[in-house]
Amino acid sequence: GAVVSQHPSRVICKSGTSVKIECRSLDFQATTMFWYRQFPKKSLMLMATSNEGSKATYEQGVEKDKFLINHASLTLSTLTVTSAHPEDSSFYICSATSGTHTGELFFGEGSRLTVL
Amino acid sequence: EDQVTQSPEALRLQEGESSSLNCSYTVSGLRGLFWYRQDPGKGPEFLFTLYSAGEEKEKERLKATLTKKESFLHITAPKPEDSATYLCAVQANNYGQNFVFGPGTRLSVLP
Repeated sequence: GAVVSQHPSRVICKSGTSVKIECRSLDFQATTMFWYRQFPKKSLMLMATSNEGSKATYEQGVEKDKFLINHASLTLSTLTVTSAHPEDSSFYICSATSGTHTGELFFGEGSRLTVL
Repeated sequence: EDQVTQSPEALRLQEGESSSLNCSYTVSGLRGLFWYRQDPGKGPEFLFTLYSAGEEKEKERLKATLTKKESFLHITAPKPEDSATYLCAVQANNYGQNFVFGPGTRLSVLP
């Protein structure tokens, strides 16, 4: 199957700092990438949808200014958590699809963010 | 409102004890139904895509089936390494590229 690489897998930062998470599609062009947040023993919560070259579409309740998403190319999307606080600690997962009519969604390995 | 539910929430099986997981959905215009496996601290791993009622897919001990209202993931003679959370997701015609995920079923297979 297609490969999506997410980096870093774990990050610990101090409150007030910003953290960037990268998501790359390694062997296909990802027209659309999704960012999810997952709480312990819970399912995936969609945060935003990003299409290459355009602004991300955020889900209701997700702060655009806190979670900055950039999809600069067909193989790279980034999520920046700005001015992170302990409540932002979570597991963040990206996924990508090639955009075909019935295209599967492929996931990165996830990034565990801990804000101290 | 489009919705995806999964049952049971958690399932414990003895090794070799076959069972089924359920994914029920209500969407307007199903484009595809997807099954994923997720291990703790990892991203979901793609298992199957089903597109139309009556379709079946198999992979090792897993078999996925689809009707107009639900999908089943049958696990035959499970092994401890099958322990994981199984997620189903639907993609509908009115979502664009978006997927709607169910809450998942946490499967534990005891040796």
